[in-house]
Amino acid sequence: QKEVEQNSGPLSVPEGAIASLNCTYSDRGSQSFFWYRQYSGKSPELIMSIYSNGDKEDGRFTAQLNKASQYVSLLIRDSQPSDSATYLCAVNGPNTGNQFYFGTGTSLTVIP
Amino acid sequence: SAVISQKPSRDICQRGTSLTIQCQVDSQVTMMFWYRQQPGQSLTLIATANQGSEATYESGFVIDKFPISRPNLTFSTLTVSNMSPEDSSIYLCSARWGLEAFFGQGTRLTVV
Repeated sequence: QKEVEQNSGPLSVPEGAIASLNCTYSDRGSQSFFWYRQYSGKSPELIMSIYSNGDKEDGRFTAQLNKASQYVSLLIRDSQPSDSATYLCAVNGPNTGNQFYFGTGTSLTVIP
Repeated sequence: SAVISQKPSRDICQRGTSLTIQCQVDSQVTMMFWYRQQPGQSLTLIATANQGSEATYESGFVIDKFPISRPNLTFSTLTVSNMSPEDSSIYLCSARWGLEAFFGQGTRLTVV
């Protein structure tokens, strides 16, 4: 079982819609959760971090964490073509030591 | 956010040769990390570079092939030794401040 799993997509949404990206993790002791955006040919860029159950909002982005169900999600409201990228979920915790475990990423395309 | 400068950004190398990738951060950090990302794949941790101690390598990666230096708290290098076409990949430097990790621009390596 992979430590972090994401639907690879591709996920396509029309401009202005809400994009929903999901991630599940296997280590129940995980404590830190991150979403990275990676444009084609570029390096990952941290866009959201979340550490407590519930929602965390930052502009058009909302991260949701449910530790009991071991999933974390990212909602992108009012999706723009510039949001088209691969989104990587990453997890860290005491059982992983210093290592961040990354999912394989979900490719998102926002259609104008 | 933190600035991580990585160079070279890309290189084409002959098989059997070695390439050293440099990573410079703009503020001191205890832990730096080196990742590899194959096309269309997620990130694979190669090793953790701690200042003043030997790097810690992940399963499947060995020091003879990927020697790492960490001479101070703002700089690290990764050498890809005796390269083969299978080493063609993107190599990413990462540094962690607090709970969050950031990435350099990456080095796109092609071995011919």
